Amino acid sequence: EIVLTQSPGTLSLSPGERATLSCRASQSVSSHYVAWYQQKRGQPPRLLIYAAFSRASGIPDRFSGSGSGTDFTLTITRLEPEDFAMYYCQHYDSSHTWTFGQGTKVDMK
Amino acid sequence: QVTLRESGPALVRPTQTLTLTCHFSGFSLSTSGMSVNWIRQPPGKALEWLARVDWDDDTYYNTSLKTRLTISKDTSKNQVVFTMTNLDPVDTATYYCARAIVVATARPHPSYAFDIWGQGTMVTVSS
Repeated sequence: EIVLTQSPGTLSLSPGERATLSCRASQSVSSHYVAWYQQKRGQPPRLLIYAAFSRASGIPDRFSGSGSGTDFTLTITRLEPEDFAMYYCQHYDSSHTWTFGQGTKVDMK
Repeated sequence: QVTLRESGPALVRPTQTLTLTCHFSGFSLSTSGMSVNWIRQPPGKALEWLARVDWDDDTYYNTSLKTRLTISKDTSKNQVVFTMTNLDPVDTATYYCARAIVVATARPHPSYAFDIWGQGTMVTVSS
């Protein structure tokens, strides 16, 4: 089973700054099967990025995904107040199951 | 508009069985490529995928929990029922149902992601 490790655990930034979130897989995976979700307190997760690079419907273009092999990145170019939240990466496996990373919290400095 | 809503007990005793229902609307679970999934999140912890039922009745389970889980669908009622047996306090969590759709026609198999989620239902396991 593939394990996803996200870093850092917490990212303390100010509005307007750039956020770079990392997701490392325990073995090489296809970028087609990597997604990112945002979760605000008390809310369900929201799909941000699928297939590593593609933004989901309605997601602002300040969110972008990149990466390949074992290393994937979610970048938020200029943080808006509403972007302070938890972020999870996810992998969809050939056995038709999913795993999530443990999450990165982006909080306001 | 696609919506999903979870229902079930808020409190379950240890060793009992949990039964949750996902009521959905705005799509049909008989449409090719659709699936409904259950995901849970213990307080302050990460998401954990649990189970999936596909449009063609195929089911898949979290490997480490599969002996305790069952998922089924009632297409005519637009419902998905999830059960987890032998509950323990560590199973205390918010349980979400979510729709998964094909987001990329990749090889060797299509890629799915959870595009719509329910609000979740908090289940506490305690005596």
